[in-house]
Amino acid sequence: DAMVIQNPRYQVTQFGKPVTLSCSQTLNHNVMYWYQQKSSQAPKLLFHYYDKDFNNEADTPDNFQSRRPNTSFCFLDIRSPGLGDTAMYLCATSRGGFTSTDTQYFGPGTRLTVL
Amino acid sequence: AQKVTQAQTEISVVEKEDVTLDCVYETRDTTYYLFWYKQPPSGELVFLIRRNSFDEQNEISGRYSWNFQKSTSSFNFTITASQVVDSAVYFCALSGGAQKLVFGQGTRLTINP
Repeated sequence: DAMVIQNPRYQVTQFGKPVTLSCSQTLNHNVMYWYQQKSSQAPKLLFHYYDKDFNNEADTPDNFQSRRPNTSFCFLDIRSPGLGDTAMYLCATSRGGFTSTDTQYFGPGTRLTVL
Repeated sequence: AQKVTQAQTEISVVEKEDVTLDCVYETRDTTYYLFWYKQPPSGELVFLIRRNSFDEQNEISGRYSWNFQKSTSSFNFTITASQVVDSAVYFCALSGGAQKLVFGQGTRLTINP
């Protein structure tokens, strides 16, 4: 089945220790998104790629970076995690040009805990 | 600016009851899309439905149904004969033009056996 895969599902890291989260997709979608979701809140968009074109949200901290080496993979790098970065990180994909009107399909998420 | 309001923070019902989750939206776009997603305890956001602003027909899918009314800017979601597996957080979302997907705050639904 075509799908969005995230690894790892659970990640524990130390304060200040860099961490990388991975997302892959078999849908062959052009757009990939990274969201942060804190407890009891709605998902918050961090950035997205339309193909290789990176689009950062204005309020995304510089501590968060992303890479998309090819169509299938996208990575979220947190350079120096703080306690406030403890959250669920969701990857999503959509088919077409960046119109957010396309349906976004989400992966299972990575639960990150910063100690 | 676009906004989605889900006024019901938490709902708890007994299994087999019908339950309606409310969603009210604000937008200045004439063309826009509305979505519902389900987030079970495992965390994945599961897509349920996408509806464009020109299609006000109600939709039914098994025990799920959606009532879209532009006159009241609402896109409500009803689960008929609820089951324990329906327990989850449900998000209503809105998108229009080139703007990002805007989520409501979610409604936590608990179905008790």
